[in-house]
Amino acid sequence: NAGVTQTPKFRILKIGQSMTLQCAQDMNHNYMYWYRQDPGMGLKLIYYSVGAGITDKGEVPNGYNVSRSTTEDFPLRLELAAPSQTSVYFCASSVGGGPPDTQYFGPGTRLTVL
Amino acid sequence: RKEVEQDPGPFNVPEGATVAFNCTYSNSASQSFFWYRQDCRKEPKLLMSVYSSGNEDGRFTAQLNRASQYISLLIRDSKLSDSATYLCVVNGVGAGSYQLTFGKGTKLSVIP
Repeated sequence: NAGVTQTPKFRILKIGQSMTLQCAQDMNHNYMYWYRQDPGMGLKLIYYSVGAGITDKGEVPNGYNVSRSTTEDFPLRLELAAPSQTSVYFCASSVGGGPPDTQYFGPGTRLTVL
Repeated sequence: RKEVEQDPGPFNVPEGATVAFNCTYSNSASQSFFWYRQDCRKEPKLLMSVYSSGNEDGRFTAQLNRASQYISLLIRDSKLSDSATYLCVVNGVGAGSYQLTFGKGTKLSVIP
């Protein structure tokens, strides 16, 4: 199993551009998550999904959108990129169904908005 | 009180030393607790879950004190490879029980 995969690994955007961060998992997990991690800060939840077709906002959703058309994929869309979105983005997945529920993380996407 | 609070460190310790990290959490209804490890510029990886009775995995021991809302991680006989940032993680409550709240992490550097 590849686990959780993310593409791209790095990206530089100009202010106002848009892009989609890709995330896929092959563990048949129900739950998927998007986090951002700013330097010296803890991970903040952007959006999450408890199954195909179901998504919901986390702590910091502004400026982002998600979709979950399949169990495996959970892309994150940035519209009108801003410097405040410069961060490392991690996708994660878990089996779901109640605590404890270990989350497994992808390798991350480092995004810089200039 | 911050939701999950950790001493940011850094903790600089010699090889073979014993080091302890502490963490406090604000939501008394939280049920699941974890320590994750994050290497520089890498993703977080689960180190161990923390159970009420305390648990041990090799050189690592985790303790939970629900009354004080306090979690600890003890690392014995530190290795160079233990150098990383250790994240204290607590789950949410109710409908958000699968959502995790991360501390900012405690950085450990093990020195030869």
